[in-house]
Amino acid sequence: EVQVVESGGGLAQPGSSLRLSCEGTGFSFNEYGMHWVRQRPGKGLEWVSGIHWDSTNRGYADSVKGRFTTSRDNAKNSLYLQMDSLRPEDTAFYYCVRGSSAYFSMFGFDKWGRGTLVTVSS
Amino acid sequence: QTVVTQEPSFSVSPGGTVTLTCGFTSGSVSTTYYPTWFQQTPGQAPRTLIYNTNVRSSGIPDRFSGSILGTKAALTITGAQADDESDYYCVFYMGSGLWLFGGGAKLTVL
Repeated sequence: EVQVVESGGGLAQPGSSLRLSCEGTGFSFNEYGMHWVRQRPGKGLEWVSGIHWDSTNRGYADSVKGRFTTSRDNAKNSLYLQMDSLRPEDTAFYYCVRGSSAYFSMFGFDKWGRGTLVTVSS
Repeated sequence: QTVVTQEPSFSVSPGGTVTLTCGFTSGSVSTTYYPTWFQQTPGQAPRTLIYNTNVRSSGIPDRFSGSILGTKAALTITGAQADDESDYYCVFYMGSGLWLFGGGAKLTVL
């Protein structure tokens, strides 16, 4: 069964850092682009970041560019989101999503994880 | 700045057909934007229904279909069922490594 499972969410203070992880199982992780999508409580979906299968290209939403960094370790079937300089408006459920191709910039999205909640508050 | 537009709410009778659309504030949608559609019920993670305009994700019944209608991307649900009552989102690839979601549409089955 294809699964992606997020971890690493929690409470963080404004200005601090947090690192989310996502493990993919049941598929060849190194054959797919991956995404992070977030959803603020009671709000809509917002694409955060994507990465190609081989890490040769990444993309970021303007709202997180320069503060968040996406990376992956194919040997560990894992995707990461390093979140620095956190702001209260970063409070959201963060979802890891498998892409529909090897390149995050093509075709769309596929399998979603259940999400992990990040709360930024003092 | 381009905004993805979705009508915020729709309703359909059980067994009926409904079409949800997503467009841009300016310009037309085409397949090069890889329109993708998601369903989300309250308290649950989203699930992908359609990607790359009209490809059904694994396990999605064929009563869900995607297309381009005029200048917009469209999601059509035929034979609506009670558990189709959900929020529906679209997303487009805008180029330069950027994806952009619509604001979502709430579907009521009544």
